[in-house]
Amino acid sequence: NAGVTQTPKFQVLKTGQSMTLQCAQDMNHNSMYWYRQDPGMGLRLIYYSASEGTTDKGEVPNGYNVSRLNKREFSLRLESAAPSQTSVYFCASRKTGENTEAFFGQGTRLTVV
Amino acid sequence: AQSVTQLGSHVSVSEGALVLLRCNYSSSVPPYLFWYVQYPNQGLQLLLKYTSAATLVKGINGFEAEFKKSETSFHLTKPSAHMSDAAEYFCAVSDDSYNKLIFGAGTRLAVHP
Repeated sequence: NAGVTQTPKFQVLKTGQSMTLQCAQDMNHNSMYWYRQDPGMGLRLIYYSASEGTTDKGEVPNGYNVSRLNKREFSLRLESAAPSQTSVYFCASRKTGENTEAFFGQGTRLTVV
Repeated sequence: AQSVTQLGSHVSVSEGALVLLRCNYSSSVPPYLFWYVQYPNQGLQLLLKYTSAATLVKGINGFEAEFKKSETSFHLTKPSAHMSDAAEYFCAVSDDSYNKLIFGAGTRLAVHP
């Protein structure tokens, strides 16, 4: 039972490079989320997807794009990485329409130099 | 918009002492509240959640939280701290449609002998 799987676990980018963070869940959840975690700021919601085919902006969407490829997969893309995007990124999933817990991946530690 | 505020970014207690981590929410309607824990270099896992069935909610590892509407609070407590409780704790609130999950800034708990 894999739960929520994120790849890669670590990444170093140069300023201006692009990359896609991958996330997949095997729990048949409708809702998926991308957060970034920075010291002293907790987890801030970047984008979320309440169901396949829909995506919405969260608290800090600038500089990011997302794709809900299918029910299982939700990817986060940085088109032109900036040092301010150095962070730990977490993907999560949960059932939609219910007050249920979110399940988290192990995170991706991204450094932009 | 729903939000939560965690008072105290760092809390330090002695082993065996009471743990009290504070969380206040802002909501015009009954909120759906959660406490998550994050151990070093790991993702988040659910400690407990408030579902309106009871104001005192018991979670894993001996933690509990009390929902107080008059104080708009959902503080997390544990009667006796253990060294293994050292972690970062996050309070979170779900919006009315259950789609968004918004986190507080987190409280890092240190437990010393």
